[in-house]
Amino acid sequence: EVQLVESGGGLVQPGRSLRLSCTASGFTFGDYAMSWFRQAPGRGLEWVCFIRGKAYGGTTEYAASVKGRFTISRDDSKSIAYLQMNSLKTEDTAVYYCTRDSRVGQPVVWGQGILVTVSS
Amino acid sequence: DIQMTQSPSSLSASVGDRVTITCQASQDITNYLNWYQQKPGKAPKLLIYDASNLETGVPSRFSGSGSGTDFSFTISSLQPEDIATYFCQQYDSLPLTFGGGTKVEIK
Repeated sequence: EVQLVESGGGLVQPGRSLRLSCTASGFTFGDYAMSWFRQAPGRGLEWVCFIRGKAYGGTTEYAASVKGRFTISRDDSKSIAYLQMNSLKTEDTAVYYCTRDSRVGQPVVWGQGILVTVSS
Repeated sequence: DIQMTQSPSSLSASVGDRVTITCQASQDITNYLNWYQQKPGKAPKLLIYDASNLETGVPSRFSGSGSGTDFSFTISSLQPEDIATYFCQQYDSLPLTFGGGTKVEIK
């Protein structure tokens, strides 16, 4: 069974850092692009970033709202995607979802989501 | 950025009714459009990709159509389990953007 499980969320103060992990199982992780999306409480969905698979150089793209603060990476040997979040702001508070993309921009498999709360 | 205007923001219909949601892109996105269903407290679920292709395992009462800037999503016969919020999303260009969502309720 294809599965994505996010971890590492929680409460963090503004300006601090947090690293989310997305552990994948049930498929050949390195063959797929992976993305992160988020959803603020009671709000719509927002794309955060993605990373291409190894065959496409593992290159990355970011939303303007997180560029320079967030970094997506992957460890294909462990089937884990990471989201390093630095200089967190209150407006980063959201449920963060990891996705496996059939192609870039087309998330098909979603994790259950993990809550990140940025508050003093 | 491509703006996705989705309407209505909410609707109430009876079981068995035909329900249609529209999504308009601020520029031509060809057919690079997904439709998602999201139930409270759950992750979104992809229903339709490439504007009109049904994702594997999704009931055939769901369908999508359109190209260019105007798209629609239809539930041919609303069922109680279809109560959810539905989103469109374009992947023609970055940043990926979503419509504001349509909350579907049973009358």
